Amino acid sequence: NAGVTQTPKFRILKIGQSMTLQCTQDMNHNYMYWYRQDPGMGLKLIYYSVGAGITDKGEVPNGYNVSRSTTEDFPLRLELAAPSQTSVYFCASSPQSSLGTQYFGPGTRLLVL
Amino acid sequence: AQSVSQHNHHVILSEAASLELGCNYSYGGTVNLFWYVQYPGQHLQLLLKYFSGDPLVKGIKGFEAEFIKSKFSFNLRKPSVQWSDTAEYFCAVIISGGYQKVTFGTGTKLQVIP
Repeated sequence: NAGVTQTPKFRILKIGQSMTLQCTQDMNHNYMYWYRQDPGMGLKLIYYSVGAGITDKGEVPNGYNVSRSTTEDFPLRLELAAPSQTSVYFCASSPQSSLGTQYFGPGTRLLVL
Repeated sequence: AQSVSQHNHHVILSEAASLELGCNYSYGGTVNLFWYVQYPGQHLQLLLKYFSGDPLVKGIKGFEAEFIKSKFSFNLRKPSVQWSDTAEYFCAVIISGGYQKVTFGTGTKLQVIP
């Protein structure tokens, strides 16, 4: 099993550009999450999903959008990139049988200039 | 909403020293508790977890944590740290049987000096 995979690993965006961060898991987990990690701030939940077709906002959803058309994929969309979105983004998944036990992807480092 | 506090932001220890990292949460109901570790340049990995039962939980690499309900605490301990334990440690909580959202603390950076 590959676990949770994320692409790209690193990206530089200009202000106002858009992009999609990809996340795929092959563990058949129902729950998937997007976090951003900023120095000294821990992880902040952006969006999460409890299954295909169901998504909900986390703590910091502004400027982001998600979709969950399949169990495996949970892409995160940035529509108008802003410098405040410079961060490291982690996708995670969790089995319903053990909520909170999260399996993380390797992360995407995003720089908005 | 629940919250998690990690009061030690940066800890420096010599090899073989004992470690205790504090974690306190705020929620009056039943919770599941976790410690995650992030080694330099890597993603977060589960270190240990508490769902129910024995409040002393043992995890990987010699780590353990004790859940003290009366103190709303879930401190992480290791009797003797190694240089390879240098990492950032995150405490996390999820409300048992309720929401699916995990709340993370701000993390504690541990630096172990050889």
